[in-house]
Amino acid sequence: EAGVTQSPTHLIKTRGQQATLRCSPISGHTSVYWYQQALGLGLQFLLWYDEGEERNRGNFPPRFSGRQFPNYSSELNVNALELEDSALYLCASSLSQGLYTFGSGTRLTVV
Amino acid sequence: AQSVTQPDIHITVSEGASLELRCNYSYGATPYLFWYVQSPGQGLQLLLKYFSGDTLVQGIKGFEAEFKRSQSSFNLRKPSVHWSDAAEYFCAVGTTYGQNFVFGPGTRLSVLP
Repeated sequence: EAGVTQSPTHLIKTRGQQATLRCSPISGHTSVYWYQQALGLGLQFLLWYDEGEERNRGNFPPRFSGRQFPNYSSELNVNALELEDSALYLCASSLSQGLYTFGSGTRLTVV
Repeated sequence: AQSVTQPDIHITVSEGASLELRCNYSYGATPYLFWYVQSPGQGLQLLLKYFSGDTLVQGIKGFEAEFKRSQSSFNLRKPSVHWSDAAEYFCAVGTTYGQNFVFGPGTRLSVLP
C-alpha cells in the first residue's frame, strides 16, 4: 500500500511569491491534514479537509489556504510568501479517529 | 482545549541503556494518545497509540507506553536503546475524530556509542 505522498520534496520561492504544495493520501482515506513545522515552533495545525470540505483551520492568516479534490488529494497554497513561512510542511491522512499517517513533507524555503 | 507537554527538550542516553520519555496531557475526558518519531528531514512515523483498554501499549521498534489517568501521563519507554533510535519524539493527543489533534513540543533523543 502506498503511503502519503507529498510533492515537491523541496521548494524555493522568493518573498511575495505563491507556493503550491500537494498531498496524495493513502487510498481510501478521506481526511487530509496539513501541519507546519517551523524551526523552534514545533508542529502547528494548519488545515483539515474531509470529503472535499474544509472542516477546521488553525491559527494562520487567510493567505494560507487549500482545497481537497474529488479523489481526496489536497493542495496547500501559501500566498504572499514571507520569510517566516520557511518550514517543513507535513501532510497526513486518516480514515478514522486520529490515526494519522504522515508524508515525508515539503521543505519550503523563502528567500 | 487539550494540551500536551513534554518536559524534556533534549535527552542523551548511552546505547544499550533504558529510555523513558515523558508526556503529560491536559484534557477533560479520555483522550486518544499517540507517540510519533521523526528522523531528521523526514515525516512522522507512528510508534504506538492508545485509544482504550489495556493501559500498557506496545509499539513498533521495541517501544511501549503506559497510560496513567491519575497522572495524566503517557510516557514512552524502551528497555535498551539502539543508535538508530536517535530522533525527535512527539507525543500527541486527539479527541473526537478529526478535531483538535495536538502535538507536544517534542523531545530530541541523542544516543552515545
